[in-house]
Amino acid sequence: GENVEQHPSTLSVQEGDSAVIKCTYSDSASNYFPWYKQELGKRPQLIIDIRSNVGEKKDQRIAVTLNKTAKHFSLHITETQPEDSAVYFCAASRSGGGADGLTFGKGTHLIIQP
Amino acid sequence: KAGVTQTPRYLIKTRGQQVTLSCSPISGHRSVSWYQQTPGQGLQFLFEYFSETQRNKGNFPGRFSGRQFSNSRSEMNVSTLELGDSALYLCASSLRTGGYTDTQYFGPGTRLTVL
Repeated sequence: GENVEQHPSTLSVQEGDSAVIKCTYSDSASNYFPWYKQELGKRPQLIIDIRSNVGEKKDQRIAVTLNKTAKHFSLHITETQPEDSAVYFCAASRSGGGADGLTFGKGTHLIIQP
Repeated sequence: KAGVTQTPRYLIKTRGQQVTLSCSPISGHRSVSWYQQTPGQGLQFLFEYFSETQRNKGNFPGRFSGRQFSNSRSEMNVSTLELGDSALYLCASSLRTGGYTDTQYFGPGTRLTVL
């Protein structure tokens, strides 16, 4: 089955700096890669996703890049703010008629230092 | 639109008991997936229901089961509870239109504690 590795497990950055979280996946058939943000005691919320026919996607301060050849994808957050502090999860999934379920990375605890 | 709802939000059971959790998807969503979240194992896929049928299953023992009703609401059952079943159980709903994987929207979860 699919295996998703996520690094780092903890990331501390100064407010205003950029943060980068990296994930690798093992199943070359995976073609959908969402990122979720989970604040303490709350549900995971989708912040951005990318499909395998796209190499990069941006949404304001958030961007995701995908390298299918190397089987890795990354989340980039620019101009970090205190409200960005949370645990971020990457995930991978195959699609096409059957939802195999999302395989998640172990999460990155992002800490924004004032 | 109302989001995904789960009941109950908190549950305390003892070993050997069984438990049933409920999930109501976003209106119009036909697929419900269930996940287990623990500090050690993270988020793990349990199973997915679509059109009242289990379509996919993760690597969990048969003690974990579920069902889906005609209105797309889903229930998850865990029998013969073990201490290791203590976790946050999350459900997620999606449109399930076929082709590309649809975005999954999570509910607030049910916190299960097994004593």
